[in-house]
Amino acid sequence: AQTVTQSQPEMSVQEAETVTLSCTYDTSESDYYLFWYKQPPSRQMILVIRQEAYKQQNATENRFSVNFQKAAKSFSLKISDSQLGDAAMYFCAYRTDRLRYSGGGADGLTFGKGTHLIIQP
Amino acid sequence: DSGVTQTPKHLITATGQRVTLRCSPRSGDLSVYWYQQSLDQGLQFLIQYYNGEERAKGNILERFSAQQFPDLHSELNLSSLELGDSALYFCASSHQPGTGGYGYTFGSGTRLTVV
Repeated sequence: AQTVTQSQPEMSVQEAETVTLSCTYDTSESDYYLFWYKQPPSRQMILVIRQEAYKQQNATENRFSVNFQKAAKSFSLKISDSQLGDAAMYFCAYRTDRLRYSGGGADGLTFGKGTHLIIQP
Repeated sequence: DSGVTQTPKHLITATGQRVTLRCSPRSGDLSVYWYQQSLDQGLQFLIQYYNGEERAKGNILERFSAQQFPDLHSELNLSSLELGDSALYFCASSHQPGTGGYGYTFGSGTRLTVV
């Protein structure tokens, strides 16, 4: 079974600074997807960024970028120019792509425990 | 509004009772997933339906069951409730399995409190 580990329960950063959230995962599969989700106090789960394991290029979405190291099974999220609205819980998640080959089975997300990001004004 | 609708938003009930949580997926999405978010267990995948049929089970207790109806809405039934079942229950939808690269769309959740 796949596991996702976020080793930082809480991180704090000054507004306008850059912060990096860590995520490692364990899998025996070669094809999969990785995601970062944001959960603000409203509780809504919001997709921040995604990465296909077969792509070597790191994904970028505006101020959010990832550092995907497939061999090390590492998937960190970098937030540049932090804003007060970035304060939230951030969850790293894994999703299999074996359905491409098997045509069946679960494709539920496996989540890490989350990192609580605090933005200091 | 994500397009995934969950009702009710809040639910308070007593131990031993049974409740039903409802989810309407985003228009056009055929797959529905249920997740439980609790303080000690984090976010856990419970069960998945695709076009009315159960596709996979995760960490779902035997006291819990779900179904997806012909109109694609889904219900999660929780019975013989215990204090430890207090959690936030999320529903998510996607167009079809195998389109994993696009993640899911989550609803805003149902907060269940068992007293």
